[in-house]
Amino acid sequence: QKEVEQNSGPLSVPEGAIASLNCTYSDRGSQSFFWYRQYSGKSPELIMSIYSNGDKEDGRFTAQLNKASQYVSLLIRDSQPSDSATYLCAVNLESEKLTFGTGTRLTIIP
Amino acid sequence: SAVISQKPSRDICQRGTSLTIQCQVDSQVTMMFWYRQQPGQSLTLIATANQGSEATYESGFVIDKFPISRPNLTFSTLTVSNMSPEDSSIYLCSVEAGGRAGEQYFGPGTRLTVT
Repeated sequence: QKEVEQNSGPLSVPEGAIASLNCTYSDRGSQSFFWYRQYSGKSPELIMSIYSNGDKEDGRFTAQLNKASQYVSLLIRDSQPSDSATYLCAVNLESEKLTFGTGTRLTIIP
Repeated sequence: SAVISQKPSRDICQRGTSLTIQCQVDSQVTMMFWYRQQPGQSLTLIATANQGSEATYESGFVIDKFPISRPNLTFSTLTVSNMSPEDSSIYLCSVEAGGRAGEQYFGPGTRLTVT
């Protein structure tokens, strides 16, 4: 069964600290990996995509992928109150479909 | 990215009735997707809609309950038929517009309450 697992949280992080969000997936054939941010009452927004092992940085966000261990993570540096949201990990196999995790609710404490 | 609109943004419906949700994109896209997100839950894919072909439904979703139309490359509809309170959810359409599989952009959603 294809699954994507995340700690549901809530994860509380002080403002200015690093927030670390983790995701594991069960299907070794997974090709592409994504992080979506969803504010309360809003639709998901794509913030990061990663396709190969290693780190990918975009501003304050870094996505990390380890295919051997089947995990993908998202680091948010210098966390801001505006980063408070639910973060959804999504995984793509060979087709165009995405499988989403249950999401981690992140709260940045001023 | 793409700009996506959905109508209606919310509705309250009586059980046994049907509601059609519209999804409009500002550019031509091949793949459109319909998701359901129940309160406090993650996204569940209902079906994938390609222009000019029948929609492909995921396990647990059937065409009689969720008929989908895709008349052109910028528009799709999802109908929720013979509704029950269990259909109360947010329904989201998304498109793949980033040029790479999996990079999806979501509409604002339709919040449906069935009484």
